[in-house]
Amino acid sequence: EAGVAQSPRYKIIEKRQSVAFWCNPISGHATLYWYQQILGQGPKLLIQFQNNGVVDDSQLPKDRFSAERLKGVDSTLKIQPAKLEDSAVYLCASSKTGTEDEKLFFGSGTQLSVL
Amino acid sequence: DQQVKQNSPSLSVQEGRISILNCDYTNSMFDYFLWYKKYPAEGPTFLISISSIKDKNEDGRFTVFLNKSAKHLSLHIVPSQPGDSAVYFCAAAAGGGSQGNLIFGKGTKLSVKP
Repeated sequence: EAGVAQSPRYKIIEKRQSVAFWCNPISGHATLYWYQQILGQGPKLLIQFQNNGVVDDSQLPKDRFSAERLKGVDSTLKIQPAKLEDSAVYLCASSKTGTEDEKLFFGSGTQLSVL
Repeated sequence: DQQVKQNSPSLSVQEGRISILNCDYTNSMFDYFLWYKKYPAEGPTFLISISSIKDKNEDGRFTVFLNKSAKHLSLHIVPSQPGDSAVYFCAAAAGGGSQGNLIFGKGTKLSVKP
């Protein structure tokens, strides 16, 4: 079974530039999550999709971050414009149905450096 | 305000001995707890979980203990192996049927020395 795929693995940009990350979840997984992990911290949920609908985006900085999951499969996360504090690893995860007792499968993440 | 706290940033243990990783939480609404393990340059992988209706869950060398009155859980690894060296994250969910609302601790880096 293929895991959660993310690209790119690394990205270096200057502040005020734009950047986009891509995620392809495990086949058949209805729920997709984007997490932000700042160095020395645990992952923090940015947005959760159930199929192609948003379940929770309460911690997404909507003035600069946007995400979509067209057709309920793969997803993109965009930052425009980027700030220095956006430097982090962006992790995508998926699960079959999103219920509490279901484990999440994480991708390897995209490491973003904003200079 | 950290709702899930892992107060030990690092832990070093000798191979074959027991590793005990601790986690404290403040939100009494949390009813499901998980441990994830993370190797460098990889995403976290699920290790073991426990529901608040239990006080212990065991899976091979890994056991998680939950003390609801103390709002404390711990992960025991017996015996510890060098391949267990990784960062361990404690996470908690407050129910409502959505595991995505996981709150993670900052992690504890475990080093198991041969």
